[in-house]
Amino acid sequence: KAGVTQTPRYLIKTRGQQVTLSCSPISGHRSVSWYQQTPGQGLQFLFEYFSETQRNKGNFPGRFSGRQFSNSRSEMNVSTLELGDSALYLCASSPGQGETQYFGPGTRLLVL
Amino acid sequence: QKEVEQDPGPLSVPEGAIVSLNCTYSNSAFQYFMWYRQYSRKGPELLMYTYSSGNKEDGRFTAQVDKSSKYISLFIRDSQPSDSATYLCAMISGGSNYKLTFGKGTLLTVNP
Repeated sequence: KAGVTQTPRYLIKTRGQQVTLSCSPISGHRSVSWYQQTPGQGLQFLFEYFSETQRNKGNFPGRFSGRQFSNSRSEMNVSTLELGDSALYLCASSPGQGETQYFGPGTRLLVL
Repeated sequence: QKEVEQDPGPLSVPEGAIVSLNCTYSNSAFQYFMWYRQYSRKGPELLMYTYSSGNKEDGRFTAQVDKSSKYISLFIRDSQPSDSATYLCAMISGGSNYKLTFGKGTLLTVNP
């Protein structure tokens, strides 16, 4: 079974731009969570989607948003990028809510 | 006080050593405890998953949970150079809140 895939793997943007990251979960998994990883803060929860609905949300500003499609694929969007948004963005999928999460390789975003 | 505290290291040991990695937490609601391993430029992969207090063994890895002290540990026996990675503890409270709360990770290097 293929693992979680994320595209793109690397991205360079400038301040003020917006970005969309994509995540394809493991086949059959219906829950997708997003995390931001930085050296200073570690791994921080952004949000979780299940059956196309956001079920949980972390403490991030409204510039961070996401959505999930009927095939469980998910996208996250960051608008008005700031330098501090430079990070590794990780997507994790699980068969259902509260079940073991499997992570993708991440998208490394650099904001200049 | 952060919900999950983890010694960031770095930790450097010789091959064959026993490694002890630890996390403390403050939220009594945490019920499920996990250890993830993250190699450089990869997403975290699940190593161990425990629920109850006590020990759980899987090959060279042993996860220990002490809920009364709010303390979890991961022991690696006969450590190998391939164990060199960042180890992250993670916790989840269950109920309707399925977000993982991570420690910041401990960087481990096993020297041949």
